[in-house]
Amino acid sequence: GAVVSQHPSRVICKSGTSVKIECRSLDFQATTMFWYRQFPKQSLMLMATSNEGSKATYEQGVEKDKFLINHASLTLSTLTVTSAHPEDSSFYICSAGIQGVEGYTFGSGTRLTVV
Amino acid sequence: AQSVAQPEDQVNVAEGNPLTVKCTYSVSGNPYLFWYVQYPNRGLQFLLKYITGDNLVKGSYGFEAEFNKSQTSFHLKKPSALVSDSALYFCAVRVSGGYQKVTFGTGTKLQVIP
Repeated sequence: GAVVSQHPSRVICKSGTSVKIECRSLDFQATTMFWYRQFPKQSLMLMATSNEGSKATYEQGVEKDKFLINHASLTLSTLTVTSAHPEDSSFYICSAGIQGVEGYTFGSGTRLTVV
Repeated sequence: AQSVAQPEDQVNVAEGNPLTVKCTYSVSGNPYLFWYVQYPNRGLQFLLKYITGDNLVKGSYGFEAEFNKSQTSFHLKKPSALVSDSALYFCAVRVSGGYQKVTFGTGTKLQVIP
């Protein structure tokens, strides 16, 4: 079946640095990619929707200059957390929309810890 | 706007007993409904979906869910719970057509007691 590979699975970074998270669709083309954030013991909150070759659409309250999303190809989307702060520590998950399939495939998630 | 409610933060069930995890939804238009399971520090795994057709849908690992349009519910069920079913379960909804965004419920922690 369709697989979304998300990397890294865990990352620890210092405050003020930037971190890039990658999501790759394996064996299929992901026209649309969704990025979610999950706080401990809470649900997934949609951060943004990215479409290949165009600017991402951010949800209300999400800082687009802080969470940079790039979807330059049909198999790769990246989320860069810029100037990270401890409050950005969270679990980030991507999911891909597949042509002709109503559901979405999720990556395995990235645990970001900012110290 | 669309929303999903999972009224139970946690459900405890004895191994071998039937389990039910509740979900109700609100959406404008025809709903696509999903159940996902999440293990600690992992992404979401797809269990099952309702798009159209039979109201009772069967999914992975022996799970099933019944779509009830009049009650706007999509409860997850399994006839006999396993300890390995213990995890966090999310119900989700989106409207039909294109790559519409998915809205998730708050999740229900299922604890199967040996």
